[in-house]
Amino acid sequence: DVKVTQSSRYLVKRTGEKVFLECVQDMDHENMFWYRQDPGLGLRLIYFSYDVKMKEKGDIPEGYSVSREKKERFSLILESASTNQTSMYLCASRLTGTAGSGKLFFGSGTQLSVL
Amino acid sequence: AQTVTQSQPEMSVQEAETVTLSCTYDTSESDYYLFWYKQPPSRQMILVIRQEAYKQQNATENRFSVNFQKAAKSFSLKISDSQLGDAAMYFCAYRSGGTYKYIFGTGTRLKVLA
Repeated sequence: DVKVTQSSRYLVKRTGEKVFLECVQDMDHENMFWYRQDPGLGLRLIYFSYDVKMKEKGDIPEGYSVSREKKERFSLILESASTNQTSMYLCASRLTGTAGSGKLFFGSGTQLSVL
Repeated sequence: AQTVTQSQPEMSVQEAETVTLSCTYDTSESDYYLFWYKQPPSRQMILVIRQEAYKQQNATENRFSVNFQKAAKSFSLKISDSQLGDAAMYFCAYRSGGTYKYIFGTGTRLKVLA
């Protein structure tokens, strides 16, 4: 089955630090996503990448940037971490077309705490 | 704009019993897909079931089935013969056809009582 791996399960950072969250998928999926999960708010889309070097802003891109230099890797960058970015971050990937059936494959999440 | 609403923050069910989780959505689109995802304590979300809007027949996957009421814009998940392993957060999600964007509800936490 598809494996989506997020580099860290838990991360603690200081306010103002630059933070990198890494995500790697092993099934040659074109689309990759970064979501933020907060209690009572569900999942909100931060950024989407539909292919290498291609990206689109989601619903809450402020304070974040992304990088996708290789198909299998999608990085989320917090340029200057703030306490309101304390959250669970979920990476997902998807195969496009009918073969993909719209199914998202998720990583196990990174719980980020910004102090 | 499309929205997805899960009005039950938490539900409980006795082991071996049946439980129904509610989801309503709002859209003016005719081509769309609906999903139920499960997030166990391990945090890795997995797809439980998927429904295409153009299909009238309700989707089923083993003990999981949906009641898709297109006119009412309702998409509930029924779990039969509940098991301890069903305890998780369940998210309803919507995607318009031809787009990449998935819209998730706020989730329902399901507790299974032994």
